[in-house]
Amino acid sequence: QVQLQESGPGLVKPSQTLSLTCTVSGGSITSGSYFWTWIRQPAGKGLEWIGRIYTSGDTNYNPSLKSRVTISVDTSKNQFSLRLSSVTAADTAVYYCARESVEMATHDYWGQGTLVTVSS
Amino acid sequence: DVQMTQSPSSVSASVGDRVTITCRASQGISSWLAWFQQKPGKAPKLLIYDASSLQSGVPSRFSGSGSGTDFTLTISSLQPEDFATYYCQQSSSFPVTFGQGTRLEMK
Repeated sequence: QVQLQESGPGLVKPSQTLSLTCTVSGGSITSGSYFWTWIRQPAGKGLEWIGRIYTSGDTNYNPSLKSRVTISVDTSKNQFSLRLSSVTAADTAVYYCARESVEMATHDYWGQGTLVTVSS
Repeated sequence: DVQMTQSPSSVSASVGDRVTITCRASQGISSWLAWFQQKPGKAPKLLIYDASSLQSGVPSRFSGSGSGTDFTLTISSLQPEDFATYYCQQSSSFPVTFGQGTRLEMK
């Protein structure tokens, strides 16, 4: 059973960079045909797709965030990461990592989510 | 971006009721549509993919239909554990986008 777990600071100051890591267990991040994705959800609001990475390193980003987002993968640690620069209060949200199955074209496994608050 | 519009935004129903939620895409997305269930404080859970394929382990009372721009999620007989928020998601084009959610509440 694949499991994903987000980790990283829960509080980030405005204008700084948010950094999160997702650790994948129960299977290799390189096995199968999957994209590894970040999605966020502000409190009481809907879901926003941030971007994804394939283990080849190919990435796709939401154009609304593209100038500030970097997603990377470390196959040796079975992890992938999110960096979001120049954060503001609008970036306060629960951040989820998820696996996207190429076959199903959607997200079949999710982490539990981690709340990141942007505040001084 | 493809806009996904769900209706209703909220619905009240009772255990045993049949409930239908609709999702409309701003442009054709073929069958690249998924449905998720989310409970408070939890991650979304995949219910349906490819518009009508039931995810493994999901009860058969959940079903999906539609293609192009109009889609539905139906719960044939509501159970107590089904009260949650439901989201549709399109993966036809980038960026992937979600509907605004439908809150299913107990009457």
